[in-house]
Amino acid sequence: QSALTQPASVSGSPGQSITISCTGTSSDVGSYDYVSWYQQHPGKAPKLMIYDVSNRPSGVSDRFSGSKSGNTASLAISGLQAEDEADYYCSSYASSSTRVFGGGTKLTVL
Amino acid sequence: EVQLVESGGGLVQPGGSLRLSCAASGFTFSSHWMSWVRQAPGKGLEWVANIKEDGSEKKYVDSVKGRFTISRDNAKNSLYLQMNSLRAEDTAVYYCARSTWSGHCFYWGQGTLVTVSS
Repeated sequence: QSALTQPASVSGSPGQSITISCTGTSSDVGSYDYVSWYQQHPGKAPKLMIYDVSNRPSGVSDRFSGSKSGNTASLAISGLQAEDEADYYCSSYASSSTRVFGGGTKLTVL
Repeated sequence: EVQLVESGGGLVQPGGSLRLSCAASGFTFSSHWMSWVRQAPGKGLEWVANIKEDGSEKKYVDSVKGRFTISRDNAKNSLYLQMNSLRAEDTAVYYCARSTWSGHCFYWGQGTLVTVSS
């Protein structure tokens, strides 16, 4: 049950696009299409942004998209906006029917 | 509107016990998996445990196995986390979440803070 690996921080200017990676192993990301991404603003509860690798829950902007290749999943955000500044966490279903999160990535909108 | 309200957090000494509760409303509680996720101060999210709709399946992160027990009362629309033998490293905000069997947490509560300290 080791944590998934995410970059500690990423940044971009308003209007630009960024990508956050999430690297796991063949025991989690690589074996299951059950990757999700969460957005968390300071002092708030997390919010689900992507599930099943690339699906968006109702109400989530289509500026957010997800993908996966091998043991690495990615979250892309296009047309960056000030309100996108937050922490982002990936999560994956893992062997033994458990769940594992990434360490989190702080997105700064310059 | 889906609502999840956690309660039961507080200050407890190392080795002590605490029982967290999560009151659910706005959806058919008995039709959904539920999860507990925690976040230590200034740290990332950590999945703790989840439980099937009827309580017949329960899974835990290795670090809490044998110490924590997840349970639910579908008649009371409530989720619980019994925490025993608490350690300093269990200090965190504990979130209750409505989840899928694969673990996606679609709805979250506001969290309850557990502090383990002497």
